[in-house]
This record gives sequence, C-alpha cells and structure tokens, in this order.
Amino acid sequence: QLQVQESGSGLVKPSQTLSLTCTVSGGSISSGGYSWNWIRQPPGKGLEWIGYSYHIGTTSYSPSLKSRVTISLDTSKNQFSLRLSSVTAADTAVYYCARGTSYQLLPYMDVWGKGTTVTVSS
Amino acid sequence: DIQMTQSPSSLSASVGDRVTITCRASQSISSFLNWYRQKPGKAPELLIYAASSLYSGVPSRFSGSGSGTDFTLTISSLQPEDFATYYCQQSYTTPPITFGQGTRLDIK
Repeated sequence: QLQVQESGSGLVKPSQTLSLTCTVSGGSISSGGYSWNWIRQPPGKGLEWIGYSYHIGTTSYSPSLKSRVTISLDTSKNQFSLRLSSVTAADTAVYYCARGTSYQLLPYMDVWGKGTTVTVSS
Repeated sequence: DIQMTQSPSSLSASVGDRVTITCRASQSISSFLNWYRQKPGKAPELLIYAASSLYSGVPSRFSGSGSGTDFTLTISSLQPEDFATYYCQQSYTTPPITFGQGTRLDIK
C-alpha cells in the first residue's frame, strides 16, 4: 500500500527558502497518471493547495504562490520536493504531501502524509 | 478562482444522528467535487470522490450527492470518530484546486 511521508526543516527564518521532501513508499513516483501534490494548513485555518507535479515534468501551482514555489520529482530516490522562497510568518503552517489520481478524468487526492509543521521565525 | 462555500460552518450533533453538510461552488463544476474528513491533529482523509463515489474502505454511512454548483455530504448515523472537520474540494478549473472553509462537527 502506497504511503507518503514529509520531512524537512521545521524552522525557517524570514526571507529564507523553505525546503521539504516527501518520500514515497510502496509504489513508484514514476508511475503514470498520478500527480504529486503539496497542501498546507495554517494554524487553526483551512486547507490551501500549493501545487503539483507529474513525473513527465508537468507542473501546476497556485497563482497566489506561483512566483515563489518550485515542486520537483527525484525518481532515483522516489521523492518529490517543495521549495518556497522568501518566506514570511504567513507561511507558517502544517505542510502535507499527497498523491493525486483520477476516476474517469475526475481528479482527487487519495493518499496523504501525516504532515510536518513549519514555523517561520527569526 | 472557483470559490467553495460550505454550510454550516459548524454544527453540534449526537452519536446516531443523521447529518448533512452542504457545499456550493461559485460556478458549475460538474462532478469535480471531493469530500475529506480531518480528525483533530491528523491529516485529511478522502471520503467521497467525483461527488458521489465512496472511496475504498470508507464506511457506507457516508454518502455524497449533487452536481453543478450544489453538493451534499450525508452521514447517516454519526459515530464517535466522525466528530471532526469536513472539507469539500473542487478540481474542475485548475489552478488552483480550492477547498471549502470547512465544517466543524462537534458532539452535542
């Protein structure tokens, strides 16, 4: 059964770059038809989609974050990563990685990591 | 962006109750609508995809309906583990994928 797990720095200074990795086990990140997503949740708030990448290199990002976000896949390590530059306190959140799939072209996210807390503070 | 609005934002109910949560899209999204449950301190879990399809392993007390702009999630008989926050999510027009603001379900 496929599982995903986030890892990375829990504390980032303002103006620096947040870097997180999602390790995929029980399946290959190179399998066709899946998107590899990042979602975040600020303390006490709702869910915000950040973006995704497909193994063929196609990416899609939230317009509100697009100028600061990069999502990339490392097929040799079966991992995908998130980089968010120029962070501020507003980027403090629990960050989740998730697999996206689809049913008759109707997309959904079916496997989620447990989440990792990132705090932006000096 | 397509805005997703859930109602109510919170509600209280008892074990065994039947509960309905509504999600409205700011424009038609066909059946591009999913529902998730998030227990406190945990990651979201997929319940319903494509508006009305029950995800594998999810109890049959959960059901979804709707298309276009109006959707509902129904829990036929609340269990203790169902006291959580529920989110709807659209993937019709992306980017961005958008979520509703959440509905918090508390024990009465």
